[in-house]
Amino acid sequence: QVTLRESGPAVVRPTETLTLTCTFSGFSLNSYGVCLSWIRQPPGKAPEWLARIDWDDDKYYNTSLKTRLTLSKDTSKNQVVLKMTHMESVDTATYYCARVEGNYCGAPPDKWGQGTLVTVSS
Amino acid sequence: QSALTQEVSVSGTVGQRVTLSCTGASHNIGSYTVGWYQQISHDTPKPVMFGSSLPSGIPDRFSGSKSGTTASLTISGLQPEDEATYYCSSWDYSVTAQVFGGGTKLTVL
Repeated sequence: QVTLRESGPAVVRPTETLTLTCTFSGFSLNSYGVCLSWIRQPPGKAPEWLARIDWDDDKYYNTSLKTRLTLSKDTSKNQVVLKMTHMESVDTATYYCARVEGNYCGAPPDKWGQGTLVTVSS
Repeated sequence: QSALTQEVSVSGTVGQRVTLSCTGASHNIGSYTVGWYQQISHDTPKPVMFGSSLPSGIPDRFSGSKSGTTASLTISGLQPEDEATYYCSSWDYSVTAQVFGGGTKLTVL
């Protein structure tokens, strides 16, 4: 059974760095064609893709947020960590991690975590 | 402004057939499989279609298709539990990113 779970602070202050961890089970991020994306959804708005890390450790970032994002993975712990610097109120959103598995990593994510709501507030 | 364009709202009655559309470009929908996600209230988006393939557990009244740079999600025999917001998504090689539509709110009358 494939599961993904996001964890991190519920509240961060403006200018702080957000660190989110996605802990997954039921698949390996070392396997060919397996990739993991981070996606966020501000309240009442559409999802926005943030970043992706692939089975071969290639990384891709949303160009508008690239300077603020860093992805890393720890395959021994089945975890992927996303860091986002200089948090602002507009970054308030539910943050999801989602898996892609298939012939190419640009396929739509097929499994999503339950999401974690992050509020930016002083 | 989203890279993929969806109707803001669509409505139908129970048992009716409705089609939602998602319009993009050659560098996204025209080149890649489109995913459709159903979001009920504030729940996690749930995959209901990958291209024309049904994920496990999704009823076969859902079907998907694509023509050029427009993808469609059709629900035949609309049910009250289908009331939700539906998002389409595709990879886009021009921006090297997964892009989403703005979402269509489906109301079952």
